[in-house]
Amino acid sequence: DQQVKQNSPSLSVQEGRISILNCDYTNSMFDYFLWYKKYPAEGPTFLISISSIKDKNEDGRFTVFLNKSAKHLSLHIVPSQPGDSAVYFCAATVFMEYGNKLVFGAGTILRVKS
Amino acid sequence: EPEVTQTPSHQVTQMGQEVILRCVPISNHLYFYWYRQILGQKVEFLVSFYNNEISEKSEIFDDQFSVERPDGSNFTLKIRSTKLEDSAMYFCASTSDGGYEQYFGPGTRLTVT
Repeated sequence: DQQVKQNSPSLSVQEGRISILNCDYTNSMFDYFLWYKKYPAEGPTFLISISSIKDKNEDGRFTVFLNKSAKHLSLHIVPSQPGDSAVYFCAATVFMEYGNKLVFGAGTILRVKS
Repeated sequence: EPEVTQTPSHQVTQMGQEVILRCVPISNHLYFYWYRQILGQKVEFLVSFYNNEISEKSEIFDDQFSVERPDGSNFTLKIRSTKLEDSAMYFCASTSDGGYEQYFGPGTRLTVT
């Protein structure tokens, strides 16, 4: 099942610089996209989301961009901090009346060097 | 801040045994989910639960699996006869009415020997 793809297994950036994490999807029925952050031995933590009717959503240091025509979204973290080092998962979903399952990408390990 | 809790954090069981994984979702949430992550693989959807019924299940969720909300706070996943390939992290999640954002628990690591 390759509906949501994160092609970069890892990314290393310097503290204070921008981190850009990418995600591609194939299912045009997805209407909502989410980013989760995961530390070892913890569950995924919701970070930021975007509806398919928007192209940008910003929350503090985190911005998600959506390019529907390219079926591509990206998460920008500015400025990056060492505490941002974690695995970042892209997820997508389709609205359903009685709950919506999330389809996850494989994750990207972000390392922020101080 | 409200959070999803899961017990136990680690469960070791022998092949063929039954296990019950427990979750306490966020109190005012109405939709409940189980996901699993086999080591080195993606987080995969297992089942969603609403109004005391399964609303959707994946191909993984076969007759060996069942879910239950036995009271107003707990949500359980039962595996009747565990197999080696059931070894994974199991995550419970919940969401409010109309909310897309699912909130995950810390997970239970299930090891089947």
